[in-house]
Amino acid sequence: DAEITQSPRHKITETGRQVTLACHQTWNHNNMFWYRQDLGHGLRLIHYSYGVQDTNKGEVSDGYSVSRSNTEDLPLTLESAASSQTSVYFCASSDQGLANTGELFFGEGSRLTVL
Amino acid sequence: GESVGLHLPTLSVQEGDNSIINCAYSNSASDYFIWYKQESGKGPQFIIDIRSNMDKRQGQRVTVLLNKTVKHLSLQIAATQPGDSAVYFCAEIFSGGYNKLIFGAGTRLAVHP
Repeated sequence: DAEITQSPRHKITETGRQVTLACHQTWNHNNMFWYRQDLGHGLRLIHYSYGVQDTNKGEVSDGYSVSRSNTEDLPLTLESAASSQTSVYFCASSDQGLANTGELFFGEGSRLTVL
Repeated sequence: GESVGLHLPTLSVQEGDNSIINCAYSNSASDYFIWYKQESGKGPQFIIDIRSNMDKRQGQRVTVLLNKTVKHLSLQIAATQPGDSAVYFCAEIFSGGYNKLIFGAGTRLAVHP
């Protein structure tokens, strides 16, 4: 079955280190998204991509970057991890733009702790 | 697993009762609304959506009501089951500009036997 997978599921790192969270989907969806989820804030959009070589900033993009070299993957990089980036990160994908459907398919999440 | 929302508003219902989860949205320009369900340790899952040209939409055991006058959205779950226990998020899409899906903070639904 097609799916979306995130790795690692749990990671502990130190302040200042670079961290990359992987996201891989096998649906061949053009659209991919990264959200972070914190208590009291719901899910907030970090970055999104509407196709290969396309990346866009979301509402909380500072300190994060993404790259889209193929359809299947959208890795999220924290250039220099900060304690404020301790969170649960969710990757999602969709086969249509948000104007057509708000149905995103989410991964299981990656819990990142920055000490 | 991944669990968040320990301090979310909680709606407690008895198994078999109907549940109503409410959501207020902020932007009058939003024209598309979605409800998501998030079970403990999992990612959010799409439930149902509604566009602003409608005021009601029904799915299997779920109904979404939209009141644009007061910018209010509700999710009704009929005959609530233990498997409905989860955190429920409403989300809105702003038309114009680049379409962006904005999530609310969520409501926890606890179903008791």
